[in-house]
Amino acid sequence: DAKTTQPPSMDCAEGRAANLPCNHSTISGNEYVYWYRQIHSQGPQYIIHGLKNNETNEMASLIITEDRKSSTLILPHATLRDTAVYYCIVRGSGTASKLTFGTGTRLQVTL
Amino acid sequence: GAVVSQHPSWVICKSGTSVKIECRSLDFQATTMFWYRQFPKQSLMLMATSNEGSKATYEQGVEKDKFLINHASLTLSTLTVTSAHPEDSSFYICSARDQGRWTEAFFGQGTRLTVV
Repeated sequence: DAKTTQPPSMDCAEGRAANLPCNHSTISGNEYVYWYRQIHSQGPQYIIHGLKNNETNEMASLIITEDRKSSTLILPHATLRDTAVYYCIVRGSGTASKLTFGTGTRLQVTL
Repeated sequence: GAVVSQHPSWVICKSGTSVKIECRSLDFQATTMFWYRQFPKQSLMLMATSNEGSKATYEQGVEKDKFLINHASLTLSTLTVTSAHPEDSSFYICSARDQGRWTEAFFGQGTRLTVV
């Protein structure tokens, strides 16, 4: 599975949009981009995933560049409860594919 | 939907004893389950992958005789830490996926193991 690069930390004011970038320049054609987050001392929570097209759900939007070498997770109106470590993971769709976590981005939402 | 439950949430055990952690998928059939370990201020490290009815596949460096994984049914997997030592103290997290329905995996809430 391709590796990902994320900034180690970011700050965001409450109510503002949080834009979390992720580079995955070695992604291959059948690999998906997944985003999870982990709030302190809890298991990771699935947010969203995509292959080529931009995706949106009740939690966030995922913007994938046309060349698929990078993506951005957007939390449209960040709240204090969105403070967490956000992981961008690239994974194939096969049954043997695994979710391999990198170091993620620690998002701190402030008043 | 897609709820994964782990039990216990935390456990303290004496050095040399064994501890069993359960992972259940409550509303779907987990064809594949994953076990992770996380040390403080570090990311999740995959320990092993198990498919229902077959032996688990362990990641390099993970001792299969120390971390016994059983995935006997489509809704339950167990991780047994045998002869636990203080260095096994960690946050253990399971994840489950129904390969026939989704590509994403869902995680349990984790188990904090402290070996004294």
